[in-house]
Amino acid sequence: EAGVVQSPRYKIIEKKQPVAFWCNPISGHNTLYWYRQNLGQGPELLIRYENEEAVDDSQLPKDRFSAERLKGVDSTLKIQPAELGDSAVYLCASSPSYNEQFFGPGTRLTVL
Amino acid sequence: AQSVTQLGSHVSVSEGALVLLRCNYSSSVPPYLFWYVQYPNQGLQLLLKYTSAATLVKGINGFEAEFKKSETSFHLTKPSAHMSDAAEYFCAVSDENDKIIFGKGTRLHILP
Repeated sequence: EAGVVQSPRYKIIEKKQPVAFWCNPISGHNTLYWYRQNLGQGPELLIRYENEEAVDDSQLPKDRFSAERLKGVDSTLKIQPAELGDSAVYLCASSPSYNEQFFGPGTRLTVL
Repeated sequence: AQSVTQLGSHVSVSEGALVLLRCNYSSSVPPYLFWYVQYPNQGLQLLLKYTSAATLVKGINGFEAEFKKSETSFHLTKPSAHMSDAAEYFCAVSDENDKIIFGKGTRLHILP
């Protein structure tokens, strides 16, 4: 069974540029999460989806971050415009139940 | 709000020695507790989880953790360290809103 797929794996952009990350969850997993992991820290939840619905986006900086999960499968996370402090690893996870999450390899974003 | 404290951002043990990674949680209700491992440039992988069944939880790769309510601890152990155990380890707790809160992580170094 394929795991959670994320692309790109690495992205380098200049500040004020837009960037988008893509995630394909494990087939059949209705719950999808986006996390941000800063260097030397644990992951912090940005947004959680149950199918197409964002059920927890309280930690998503809505002035520059947006996310969507059309058709309740794939998801994209966008930052526009990116700031220096957005440099981090962005992790996607999916879950068949709320207390067991499967993580993708992440996208390492560097903002110059 | 629930939180997790991992004691020691770096731990070094000799190959073949006991591994002990410490985790304390704050929770007013019986929590779900997790240990995840992250290898370089990879996502997080679930090692084990406590869901109010047996207090001693066995996980993958020879790891186990013991839930001690009186100490609000969930320390991770392995009797004999292997070089392949070198990685970052995250303790996590789920809160009343089904959100998983991660600790800051402990990097485990294995000395030859």
